[in-house]
Amino acid sequence: EVQLVQSGAEVKKPGESLKISCKGSGYNFAVYWIVWVRQMPGKGLEWLGIIYPSDSSTRYSPSFQGQVTISADKSITTAYLHWSSLKASDTAMYYCARSYTSDSPLDSWGQGTLVTVSS
Amino acid sequence: EIVLTQSPGTLSLSPGERATLSCRASQSVSSSYLAWYQQKAGQAPRLLIYGASRRATGVPDRFSGSGSGTDFTLTISRLGPEDFAVYYCQQYGSSPYTFGQGTKLDIK
Repeated sequence: EVQLVQSGAEVKKPGESLKISCKGSGYNFAVYWIVWVRQMPGKGLEWLGIIYPSDSSTRYSPSFQGQVTISADKSITTAYLHWSSLKASDTAMYYCARSYTSDSPLDSWGQGTLVTVSS
Repeated sequence: EIVLTQSPGTLSLSPGERATLSCRASQSVSSSYLAWYQQKAGQAPRLLIYGASRRATGVPDRFSGSGSGTDFTLTISRLGPEDFAVYYCQQYGSSPYTFGQGTKLDIK
């Protein structure tokens, strides 16, 4: 069974750093792309960026370029989303999802990680 | 960046009725790389339709997708109580792979 299991909810202060994770299982993790999607409270879905774990090729939405860093470690079948300095506006649910190619639909999703940034 | 505009914002219907949801793109979506997702409250989205008209594995045949170019439609032929949710379209033909703002389907 394909599964993407994300790390637990986080509560952080503005300016702090954070890395959340997404662990894949039940499939060849290295050859499927992983996408990160943001959902702010009560709002819609936003595409942040994508990574190919096999060679760590990465692409970002212009709206999020420089705001977050996407990485992956294929040896432990895990992808990451990292912030070096959080803002209150980063408060949201973050989902990872997989796609077979970079231009494929998102056929399996993680359960989401809620990130709350508050002083 | 391709902007997707979904309409209506909210659709109020009764179980058993037919639902028609629209997704319009600001420029042509290449190769009909258009997907529809369903999101229920407190859950992750679920893929329903890809390639504009292909049902994902396990999706009931009351869900159908159509369209090409800039105009796409998701139709639910007879609404079941479990179909009341938010629906998003997404284009995955031109990076960044943008989503529409969603259509909320609620019970009348």
